[in-house]
Amino acid sequence: EPEVTQTPSHQVTQMGQEVILRCVPISNHLYFYWYRQILGQKVEFLVSFYNNEISEKSEIFDDQFSVERPDGSNFTLKIRSTKLEDSAMYFCASSGKGITSTDTQYFGPGTRLTVL
Amino acid sequence: AQRVTQPEKLLSVFKGAPVELKCNYSYSGSPELFWYVQYSRQRLQLLLRHISRESIKGFTADLNKGETSFHLKKPFAQEEDSAMYYCALSSRGFQKLVFGTGTRLLVSP
Repeated sequence: EPEVTQTPSHQVTQMGQEVILRCVPISNHLYFYWYRQILGQKVEFLVSFYNNEISEKSEIFDDQFSVERPDGSNFTLKIRSTKLEDSAMYFCASSGKGITSTDTQYFGPGTRLTVL
Repeated sequence: AQRVTQPEKLLSVFKGAPVELKCNYSYSGSPELFWYVQYSRQRLQLLLRHISRESIKGFTADLNKGETSFHLKKPFAQEEDSAMYYCALSSRGFQKLVFGTGTRLLVSP
């Protein structure tokens, strides 16, 4: 069964550094998402991406964040200048058509980002 | 504003006992409700959604619009049901999921 994959599984970085988290969604899916979960807190939506553009983003997703689908298979989340509070588990997800209802989102295993 | 509330952080039951994981939501429109499960060291995966009205692994959940609830139930818990359970909401036609804080279900032998 196809799965969403994410790399790396754990990323440690210094405050102020740029990080890129990578995801390979399920190949025939059209919608892509990033969520994050700070330790002990709920899973929070960051951004959704469809047809090569952001379709929705949360208040968390400020100018420090960007997403890209550079080559038709990867889906990346970039944080330009990391802060301590960016430390979290970041989940990528993908889903199919979802035109009239919310299609099932399939989640990756997550990347644990630690900002020192 | 959309909000999902799961009042219990931890629910501990014995094998064979009934289980009910509570979920209440706040949303003014017509939401879609989901239960996601995360087993130890595994990824988040969909358990069930209200529009399917199906039973998965013996779990059921009924959307009660009057009480704005979507509680997850199972009549006889099994040890392999031990996991983190997240209730989530989405607006029809939109894609983002709004999650509750999750309930850890621990089923003891």
